[in-house]
Amino acid sequence: GAVVSQHPSRVICKSGTSVKIECRSLDFQATTMFWYRQFPKQSLMLMATSNEGSKATYEQGVEKDKFLINHASLTLSTLTVTSAHPEDSSFYICSAREGGVSGGYTFGSGTRLTVV
Amino acid sequence: AQTVTQSQPEMSVQEAETVTLSCTYDTSENNYYLFWYKQPPSRQMILVIRQEAYKQQNATENRFSVNFQKAAKSFSLKISDSQLGDTAMYFCASIDSWGKLQFGAGTQVVVTP
Repeated sequence: GAVVSQHPSRVICKSGTSVKIECRSLDFQATTMFWYRQFPKQSLMLMATSNEGSKATYEQGVEKDKFLINHASLTLSTLTVTSAHPEDSSFYICSAREGGVSGGYTFGSGTRLTVV
Repeated sequence: AQTVTQSQPEMSVQEAETVTLSCTYDTSENNYYLFWYKQPPSRQMILVIRQEAYKQQNATENRFSVNFQKAAKSFSLKISDSQLGDTAMYFCASIDSWGKLQFGAGTQVVVTP
């Protein structure tokens, strides 16, 4: 089946620094990938839609300059949290869609970001 | 806007018993897809079952089955013969017209020995 690899699984960074999270579709091409944020015991909140070769589409309330998304190839999307602050600490998950809508969405294993 | 509602924050069930999770949704689309995802303590999202709205037959995957009531916009998940490994957060989801997954708030299922 479709596999999405997400790295790193955990990262701790200092306030003010930037952190990059990678999301790769290993055995299929993904023109569209999605980035979610999840707080403990809560649902997944869609942050942005990453489109290969074009600008990402951000959901309302998500800061574009803080959460930079790049989708430079059909198998890789990256999320960079810039000038991180403790309130950015969260669990970030990516997903990719294989084929059409009926193909379903495959999720990465998530990244736990802690900003100290 | 498309919405997905899960009204049960937590459900407890004994091993080998059956539990049913409720989900209602709201959509203006004529054809759409519905999903149930499982998120165990590892936090890896796992697809449990999917349903295409134009298919009247309820989807089934081993011990997991759905009761899809299109007119009522209801999409419940039944877990039969519950196992300890079924302990997880379960999310109901639908796809909106932009191709984005919209999740419900989730239901925590706890399977007890």
